[in-house]
Amino acid sequence: GQNIDQPTEMTATEGAIVQINCTYQTSGFNGLFWYQQHAGEAPTFLSYNVLDGLEEKGRFSSFLSRSKGYSYLLLKELQMKDSASYLCAPPGAGNNRKLIWGLGTSLAVNP
Amino acid sequence: EAGVTQFPSHSVIEKGQTVTLRCDPISGHDNLYWYRRVMGKEIKFLLHFVKESKQDESGMPNNRFLAERTGGTYSTLKVQPAELEDSGVYFCASSQGSSGRIGNEQFFGPGTRLTVL
Repeated sequence: GQNIDQPTEMTATEGAIVQINCTYQTSGFNGLFWYQQHAGEAPTFLSYNVLDGLEEKGRFSSFLSRSKGYSYLLLKELQMKDSASYLCAPPGAGNNRKLIWGLGTSLAVNP
Repeated sequence: EAGVTQFPSHSVIEKGQTVTLRCDPISGHDNLYWYRRVMGKEIKFLLHFVKESKQDESGMPNNRFLAERTGGTYSTLKVQPAELEDSGVYFCASSQGSSGRIGNEQFFGPGTRLTVL
């Protein structure tokens, strides 16, 4: 089966660092994506991990541990515009690569 | 390069009517996906096209939903007849892809917000 678990909500202060955790169970493994979604908009790609370890990409970094079924998204130097939902999405098994979604984490960045 | 576009952005219809949603993927993207998000629920996969062929339609709710992708370019998703529970945001996404590749980033369109009254 496929199951994704993330905190529902998080709050942080502008300029701070926040870590959004994700645990997942999938029947296969084709990597793990992180997407950002602002209210009323489409999800936008943030990062992709297929190997264990940390992938750094500007203010955003993503970590993956395949053996633990665990990933996190690290956001540094938070800005007000980072207030959004963050969704970790492992692709399904096989060549389809349809994305499996949880409810995501709603992050509020306060001044 | 133009992104994924969807039409209409909003649609309000009455129960029993028919609605057709359209998605234009990024040019050259063979993979096209339809997803739906019902309020308060997670985004759910509906189906996947590779070019004009349906690769996986396991997420289609029932036979009131019909998706096509003639010529392997744009796709349409028709709901006939629409029911109240069909309300939600319908997203289309596209990606490049070739056999054996993994990790294909999916680019999403802005979505169509469907309201069935």
